[in-house]
Amino acid sequence: DAGITQSPRHKVTETGTPVTLRCHQTENHRYMYWYRQDPGHGLRLIHYSYGVKDTDKGEVSDGYSVSRSKTEDFLLTLESATSSQTSVYFCAISESTGPYEQYFGPGTRLTVT
Amino acid sequence: GDSVTQMEGPVTLSEEAFLTINCTYTATGYPSLFWYVQYPGEGLQLLLKATKADDKGSNKGFEATYRKETTSFHLEKGSVQVSDSAVYFCALRDNDMRFGAGTRLTVKP
Repeated sequence: DAGITQSPRHKVTETGTPVTLRCHQTENHRYMYWYRQDPGHGLRLIHYSYGVKDTDKGEVSDGYSVSRSKTEDFLLTLESATSSQTSVYFCAISESTGPYEQYFGPGTRLTVT
Repeated sequence: GDSVTQMEGPVTLSEEAFLTINCTYTATGYPSLFWYVQYPGEGLQLLLKATKADDKGSNKGFEATYRKETTSFHLEKGSVQVSDSAVYFCALRDNDMRFGAGTRLTVKP
């Protein structure tokens, strides 16, 4: 199994509070991704990173920001959590050469009350 | 843009039955194709992959063949087990990764 951990694994927070989720990898892969998984929507890309300090938006980036100061860590921040951000969040990694298969972390279940 | 369409579930089978989960794709380039499996409470795990036309990916008794002429990558297994109960996702990678909506499989003893 790819060495990917996510923390916390579960979190309950209140509307309007900032929340930071952490993804840590031990594989030294260049690319890292944040997805959210919701019933009826499948997996949707939030942000991704193609190197230290190099990030870009995915299809559902509004309300989220990311940072990557080290190869192994990719942080996802919900600037002011809303109930619509209640979801399961997955981090993924991939190498910089094809076929670019992605390897996923165990997920973080976030509930915004 | 690129997209993946897979058969809607849920799919319920008896143990030792034959499994097919259909997946078709739309892509402008020459994508790599993947099947992922997700067990309850876990992240997605790569099940198999194929990188060019006519390639067959296989793993743990599952197979899928990259069919360019029909733009398909159907997942098959000859004899399913209760432990195969999970959600299966078809995906493609061209310029970026696209996932299907997932198909839930339940295998009953």
